[in-house]
Amino acid sequence: DAKTTQPPSMDCAEGRAANLPCNHSTISGNEYVYWYRQIHSQGPQYIIHGLKNNETNEMASLIITEDRKSSTLILPHATLRDTAVYYCIVRVILTGGGNKLTFGTGTQLKVEL
Amino acid sequence: DTAVSQTPKYLVTQMGNDKSIKCEQNLGHDTMYWYKQDSKKFLKIMFSYNNKELIINETVPNRFSPKSPDKAHLNLHINSLELGDSAVYFCASSKSQGDQKLFFGSGTQLSVL
Repeated sequence: DAKTTQPPSMDCAEGRAANLPCNHSTISGNEYVYWYRQIHSQGPQYIIHGLKNNETNEMASLIITEDRKSSTLILPHATLRDTAVYYCIVRVILTGGGNKLTFGTGTQLKVEL
Repeated sequence: DTAVSQTPKYLVTQMGNDKSIKCEQNLGHDTMYWYKQDSKKFLKIMFSYNNKELIINETVPNRFSPKSPDKAHLNLHINSLELGDSAVYFCASSKSQGDQKLFFGSGTQLSVL
C-alpha cells in the first residue's frame, strides 16, 4: 500500500469548511483513497472513498488531484461533533485473500466555537 | 439496533488470567475483523474471518484465539494475559473480503494489572 502523509493536527471554526489534506505521492493506478475518522472513545467510522473522480456523500466531499498524488477531505460545515482523528488510507482492492486497512497517525481535527 | 456490538465494554483483570471478548454484527456481512489500538493510538489489524474461515492472521501470539461460530459472530479469547495486552480491542465487519467499508464496534478497553 502507498504511504500517506497527513498533518498531525488542524483547527477549524464551527460552521466553516474543514479541509483535511493527504499526500499519497506513491499511489498506484489501482489503489483507492479511503477516509475514516475516530471520535474520542469510539470505533473508527467510514467517511468516504474514491479512485480518481471527486466523490460526495452526506458526510463529506473527497477531492482527488488529477495526478492522484494527493487528496483533500472536505467537511462543508464543521460542527463540534466533527472533532476527531481523521485517517487517510490508500488501499488496493483485492477480490480474495483478505484485505487489511492500515491506519496511520491521522490528523487530529479540533472544531472550536 | 447497534450494527456491531461487542461485550464487555471494559475488562479489568490480573496477569495470567484467561478472558474472552464477544462480537456480534446484525448487518448480514460476510467478513469480520479484530483490531487492536495500543496506548499510542496505533490501530492494527489482528485477524480477519470470512464466512467463518480465517483469512488474515497478523502474526498475533497464539495466546490469542479467535473463534467464529457463525458469520455473525467473531469472539476473541486471550490466554495467559500479559501487561502488554492492555489496549482497546475493536471488532469490525464488512460486506465481503473486498469491501473496505468497515463498520466498527465501540471497543473493549482491556486493562491487565
